[in-house]
Amino acid sequence: QQPVQSPQAVILREGEDAVINCSSSKALYSVHWYRQKHGEAPVFLMILLKGGEQKGHDKISASFNEKKQQSSLYLTASQLSYSGTYFCGTGPTGNQFYFGTGTSLTVIP
Amino acid sequence: SQTIHQWPATLVQPVGSPLSLECTVEGTSNPNLYWYRQAAGRGLQLLFYSVGIGQISSEVPQNLSASRPQDRQFILSSKKLLLSDSGFYLCAWSLGGLETQYFGPGTRLLVL
Repeated sequence: QQPVQSPQAVILREGEDAVINCSSSKALYSVHWYRQKHGEAPVFLMILLKGGEQKGHDKISASFNEKKQQSSLYLTASQLSYSGTYFCGTGPTGNQFYFGTGTSLTVIP
Repeated sequence: SQTIHQWPATLVQPVGSPLSLECTVEGTSNPNLYWYRQAAGRGLQLLFYSVGIGQISSEVPQNLSASRPQDRQFILSSKKLLLSDSGFYLCAWSLGGLETQYFGPGTRLLVL
């Protein structure tokens, strides 16, 4: 039931864009995105509650395609502070929750 | 505002010893509570979740157990630690099953 993320890892130069995908074999009831810096706890980025929804703040945005059981996270004009591991999360029921396999993002000067 | 505490921050234990990790939440009532484990360089594995006092659901049957003696207290325990129990243990809370999860600072456990 764990969502699969792609790519597993990506290295960017400052200012470049990246897309992280999250796919599930089961229906996605909502999609959360979190970022985890090395050695720290995950931090919430955004949540998408229904198919077709798109959200964003600053230069990070996400979309949710309910029919394709997929969500994508878009990072534009990446900054050094974007480095970390990104996780999507979703749940088949109200009280179960599964995080994706994770995507390691490294932004270099 | 809500805060979540975990302790200890770091723990080194011998194989076969018991374990007790504590998590408390302040500033909210009747939260959903979660225990996750993260092995080095790996993703987050859901171990237990709780929707109320005394209500625990286990996702992974193993030598770990969880209890919720009070509304905002969640405890992870083991009677005998295994080497494979080493990892980063994270507690999280949310207002509902599909709501945002807020994580505590975590406990790094090393079993030798």
